[in-house]
Amino acid sequence: GNSVTQMEGPVTLSEEAFLTINCTYTATGYPSLFWYVQYPGEGLQLLLKATKADDKGSNKGFEATYRKETTSFHLEKGSVQVSDSAVYFCALSDRNSNYQLIWGAGTKLIIKP
Amino acid sequence: EAQVTQNPRYLITVTGKKLTVTCSQNMNHEYMSWYRQDPGLGLRQIYYSMNVEVTDKGDVPEGYKVSRKEKRNFPLILESPSPNQTSLYFCASSTLTGGKNIQYFGAGTRLSVL
Repeated sequence: GNSVTQMEGPVTLSEEAFLTINCTYTATGYPSLFWYVQYPGEGLQLLLKATKADDKGSNKGFEATYRKETTSFHLEKGSVQVSDSAVYFCALSDRNSNYQLIWGAGTKLIIKP
Repeated sequence: EAQVTQNPRYLITVTGKKLTVTCSQNMNHEYMSWYRQDPGLGLRQIYYSMNVEVTDKGDVPEGYKVSRKEKRNFPLILESPSPNQTSLYFCASSTLTGGKNIQYFGAGTRLSVL
């Protein structure tokens, strides 16, 4: 079945550091891929998405490229800020699974000033 | 403003006392879902609904009920809550048009069952 694996956290970085959070997936079809972010005390919100191979999703300085050959969708940001501290979830949606979102376990990101 | 509204935000109850957590969305979305979030376990889907009067079990449906009598509402019912249902609960909705299932989340309901 479909699954999503993302790197365990917490990930602790200093402000202005480069961020990578790894996400790999297995899917039988051609899924859409998502990154959601959960700020402290809030619900999840969509950060970015990609719907086909080689698509790049981007938002708020974050980017992720849909790599079918490596089944990956790594999240990157060139210079993180304290306000980026949150939990980040990778997810996929596949027509073959009734479009159910399959979630990674989440990666907590802590940015120190 | 487009939103998913859950109530209550916080709830403390005792074992066996029936409770309902309400969820309402104003975006005319077909799809609605309930999740629970527990430390170390990520998000787990409890139930979902593809449209009015259509509901299906998610990964952890035991001890929960749902109904979808109207498109905008998707209440979560705990008939006889137990301490292992202490968790943070999220409702979400989306349109399935285009097959992308971009979900919009409520702010969450933190439930404690004593």
